[in-house]
Amino acid sequence: DTAVSQTPKYLVTQMGNDKSIKCEQNLGHDTMYWYKQDSKKFLKIMFSYNNKELIINETVPNRFSPKSPDKAHLNLHINSLELGDSAVYFCASSNDRGYEQYFGPGTRLTVT
Amino acid sequence: GENVEQHPSTLSVQEGDSAVIKCTYSDSASNYFPWYKQELGKRPQLIIDIRSNVGEKKDQRIAVTLNKTAKHFSLHITETQPEDSAVYFCAARAMNTGFQKLVFGTGTRLLVSP
Repeated sequence: DTAVSQTPKYLVTQMGNDKSIKCEQNLGHDTMYWYKQDSKKFLKIMFSYNNKELIINETVPNRFSPKSPDKAHLNLHINSLELGDSAVYFCASSNDRGYEQYFGPGTRLTVT
Repeated sequence: GENVEQHPSTLSVQEGDSAVIKCTYSDSASNYFPWYKQELGKRPQLIIDIRSNVGEKKDQRIAVTLNKTAKHFSLHITETQPEDSAVYFCAARAMNTGFQKLVFGTGTRLLVSP
């Protein structure tokens, strides 16, 4: 009965590789988000989708491409991974007014 | 755009003491202020939130106050317990982009010693 789930939990890969993270929510929310939390614990929004439509794109390199096949799923594909991409990536969801965002368990990405 | 500042960055208290974490925001149009607790290796969890039409909200040992004029809001934890030890984040819901997004503070590491 997990509300927001992500896979994988850990991802270790080499520079230059391409990887994907998947997110699913069963809360019936219309809006989903991707956040990046760096080593200093700063939480920064990357993208937001509302009913499968991209509504927020926060100056993120175009190596990052989100995709929302339906409003319960939001995936993140990263091309040509760089060392600086190492972080924890959190998916979140909320109602369409942005209140009460619920976070997934996070995906710890390590690029070597 | 919205900017949220959070203080202190670390806070150490003895079990049973009170803890207060303060945040300021820049956008007077922001109208929603949640607080998240993040334990080590876990996800941020919403613990309490307040909307701009109220000045205070309480839930058992935690409370949040909002001063819209001064554009600051605070988290108050009373009778702290070791399990309150975590990183706490404030956030403000920015409205100036046309769509809602949360802008987070930089976090406060709270350590409650038995």
